[in-house]
Amino acid sequence: ELKVEQNPLFLSMQEGKNYTIYCNYSTTSDRLYWYRQDPGKSLESLFVLLSNGAVKQEGRLMASLDTKARLSTLHITAAVHDLSATYFCAGINTGTASKLTFGTGTRLQVTL
Amino acid sequence: DAGVTQSPTHLIKTRGQQVTLRCSPKSGHDTVSWYQQALGQGPQFIFQYYEEEERQRGNFPDRFSGHQFPNYSSELNVNALLLGDSALYLCASSLGTGEETQYFGPGTRLLVL
Repeated sequence: ELKVEQNPLFLSMQEGKNYTIYCNYSTTSDRLYWYRQDPGKSLESLFVLLSNGAVKQEGRLMASLDTKARLSTLHITAAVHDLSATYFCAGINTGTASKLTFGTGTRLQVTL
Repeated sequence: DAGVTQSPTHLIKTRGQQVTLRCSPKSGHDTVSWYQQALGQGPQFIFQYYEEEERQRGNFPDRFSGHQFPNYSSELNVNALLLGDSALYLCASSLGTGEETQYFGPGTRLLVL
């Protein structure tokens, strides 16, 4: 059964700094997703990574996937306060159904 | 283009009661998945519906049941509510075989007293 772990669980960083969130998964995942969740809100899709070496960027966020290491990273460049949220990675084994298995989430707090 | 919608937004029930939550998928989507998110945790998969059939189920008891209608909308029913059922219930829709990204609705926050 697929298991997904994220670290750190909580990250406090200053505006303008860079940091990386790590997502490890236990078995083969057909693809890897990153979602953002604001407090009390639903999940917003950020990236879907389909194959080894995939890299996607949107603004100050960049996600990458290493299927051999079973590792995905979400890199934050020059953080701004608006990026404060909880970030989840999720793996999937399509098989007969597309069940997403989520990590525990990383709560990011960007301070002025 | 309407996204995924869920109703109600909030609900308060007492132990032992039954609850029904509703979800309408994003336009063009035919697959609905339900997730439970406890406070401070990641979402946990409950089950998924496609073509009015339950395709896969997570580790949830039979108290949790669902239905999908011909228009692809879906309901989640929970019987004999327990305090531990208090959570945010998220519906996600996607297209077909599961290779598409799942788009989440705003959720229903259930409080069981």
